[in-house]
Amino acid sequence: GDSVTQMEGPVTLSEEAFLTINCTYTATGYPSLFWYVQYPGEGLQLLLKATKADDKGSNKGFEATYRKETTSFHLEKGSVQVSDSAVYFCALSARASKIIFGSGTRLSIRP
Amino acid sequence: DGGITQSPKYLFRKEGQNVTLSCEQNLNHDAMYWYRQDPGQGLRLIYYSQIVNDFQKGDIAEGYSVSREKKESFPLTVTSAQKNPTAFYLCASKGGIEQFFGPGTRLTVL
Repeated sequence: GDSVTQMEGPVTLSEEAFLTINCTYTATGYPSLFWYVQYPGEGLQLLLKATKADDKGSNKGFEATYRKETTSFHLEKGSVQVSDSAVYFCALSARASKIIFGSGTRLSIRP
Repeated sequence: DGGITQSPKYLFRKEGQNVTLSCEQNLNHDAMYWYRQDPGQGLRLIYYSQIVNDFQKGDIAEGYSVSREKKESFPLTVTSAQKNPTAFYLCASKGGIEQFFGPGTRLTVL
């Protein structure tokens, strides 16, 4: 069945460091891909999305490119801030209107 | 403002009691979802509904029940049959290809 595998956390970085959180997927067909972010005690918010191969989603300095050949959708940011500390979820659209989520990666940024 | 509301934010229940979590949306979305999140874990799908008066079990439906009598509302009942109900519960609705989430309800069984 469809699945998402993402980098295990926690990930701890210093402010202004470069961020990569790896995400790979298994799916039949051509799913849409998403990154969601969850701040402590809150629900999930959509960070960015891509709907077809080679699409790049971007928002708030974060980027991810839909790579069909490597079935990947890695999240990157050139210079992280303390306010980026959160849990990040990679996800894909599946059949029957479902979305499949990865297990989440906790990111902590040191000032 | 369009969005999803969940109430209450915190809920305490004694063992053996049923409890109902509220989820309302004014986004005019057909599909709605309930997820459970345990500390340090991802999201697990409990139930989902693609249209009014219809719903399907997700991966962990045992001990839970839902109804979908109105498009705007998708309440979740945690029954006494749910052996370990303490968790963070998230409701979502789907518009287009993406899901929109409510702020969550943290349920604690005493």
